[in-house]
Amino acid sequence: GENVEQHPSTLSVQEGDSAVIKCTYSDSASNYFPWYKQELGKRPQLIIDIRSNVGEKKDQRIAVTLNKTAKHFSLHITETQPEDSAVYFCAASIPNFGNEKLTFGTGTRLTIIP
Amino acid sequence: GAVVSQHPSRVICKSGTSVKIECRSLDFQATTMFWYRQFPKQSLMLMATSNEGSKATYEQGVEKDKFLINHASLTLSTLTVTSAHPEDSSFYICSARRTGFGNTIYFGEGSWLTVV
Repeated sequence: GENVEQHPSTLSVQEGDSAVIKCTYSDSASNYFPWYKQELGKRPQLIIDIRSNVGEKKDQRIAVTLNKTAKHFSLHITETQPEDSAVYFCAASIPNFGNEKLTFGTGTRLTIIP
Repeated sequence: GAVVSQHPSRVICKSGTSVKIECRSLDFQATTMFWYRQFPKQSLMLMATSNEGSKATYEQGVEKDKFLINHASLTLSTLTVTSAHPEDSSFYICSARRTGFGNTIYFGEGSWLTVV
């Protein structure tokens, strides 16, 4: 099955600076890569996703890049703000005729230092 | 936007009893829902995939007789923790796949289960 690794596990960034979180996946058949933000005790919120037919996607301060050859994808947050502090999870999904399931990375606790 | 509602948000039960958690997709139909378990400061671990009208598919190591899943309609899946023990205490989260909309997956609010 799919295995997703995520680094770093914790990340502290000065407010206004950029944050980068990286994930690697094992199964080259994976074609969908979402990123979720989770605040303590709350549901994961989808913040951005990318499919294997594109290499980069951007939504305001958030961007995701995908390198299919190397099997890794990254989340980039620019101009970080205190409200960006949370745990971020990457995930990967393998096509399976409508039975796809997400395999999550281990999470990155991002702290924005005011 | 797509909304997934989970109930109850918090529940305390005694050891040996059973507790049911509901997961509803409020504004879309979900033929597939997922149940996760999350321990403090850890990632989401998939327990089982729930398919409407058929048996759930459980991940390796998850006891299907202990974690009963029912997906009787296109908007509702339930997880019943049977004969609960303190080690079952955890944060349980469901998610639902919105078919036809890029198959995006949306999460419920989660349920904190405490077994005393």
